[in-house]
Amino acid sequence: EVQLVESGGGLVQPGRSLRLSCAASGFTFDDYAMHWVRQAPGKGLEWVSGISWNSGSIGYADSVKGRFTISRDNAKNSLYLQMNSLRAEDTALYYCAKAYYGSGSYLVGFDYWGQGTLVTVSS
Amino acid sequence: EIVLTQSPGTLSLSPGERATLSCRASQSVSSSYLAWYQQKPGQAPRLLIYGASSRATGIPDRFSGSGSGTDFTLTISRLEPEDFAVYYCQQYGSSPVTFGQGTKVEIK
Repeated sequence: EVQLVESGGGLVQPGRSLRLSCAASGFTFDDYAMHWVRQAPGKGLEWVSGISWNSGSIGYADSVKGRFTISRDNAKNSLYLQMNSLRAEDTALYYCAKAYYGSGSYLVGFDYWGQGTLVTVSS
Repeated sequence: EIVLTQSPGTLSLSPGERATLSCRASQSVSSSYLAWYQQKPGQAPRLLIYGASSRATGIPDRFSGSGSGTDFTLTISRLEPEDFAVYYCQQYGSSPVTFGQGTKVEIK
């Protein structure tokens, strides 16, 4: 059974940093691209970042480019999101999601999602 | 960036009725890399359709996707009580990946 478990969320002041983690199990992690998607309270889905299986292809939404860094450790079956210079508008539930097929690119749809970790940016 | 516009914003229908949801892209979606997701309150999204028309594993055949280029449609042939939810389209053919703003299907 595929499982994606996010952690690392919490309350943080504007301008500070936070690192999210996603622990994956139930599939061959290093065969698939992975993504972070967020959802502000009561709002729609916003793609944040994606990374290919070997970290050779990475993309970011314009809203986070230069502030957030996605990475993965295939030996640990884990995905990360380093978030710096956080803003109030980064407040959201952050989901980790798995690509639905193996590809050299991160540009693939998502077939499994975690339950999310909540990030609140407020003073 | 490809902007996806979904219509209508809300669809009020009764169980057993047919639902037709639209997703229009600001430019052509590469290789029909268009997906549809369903989200219920308090839950993560669920993949319904990928590649514009392929049903994901375990998705009932009352869900179907069609379209190409800039115009895509999700059809639910006969609404079941569990189908009342918010539906999002997504393009993953070019970066950045983008989602539509969602269509809420509510019980009339």
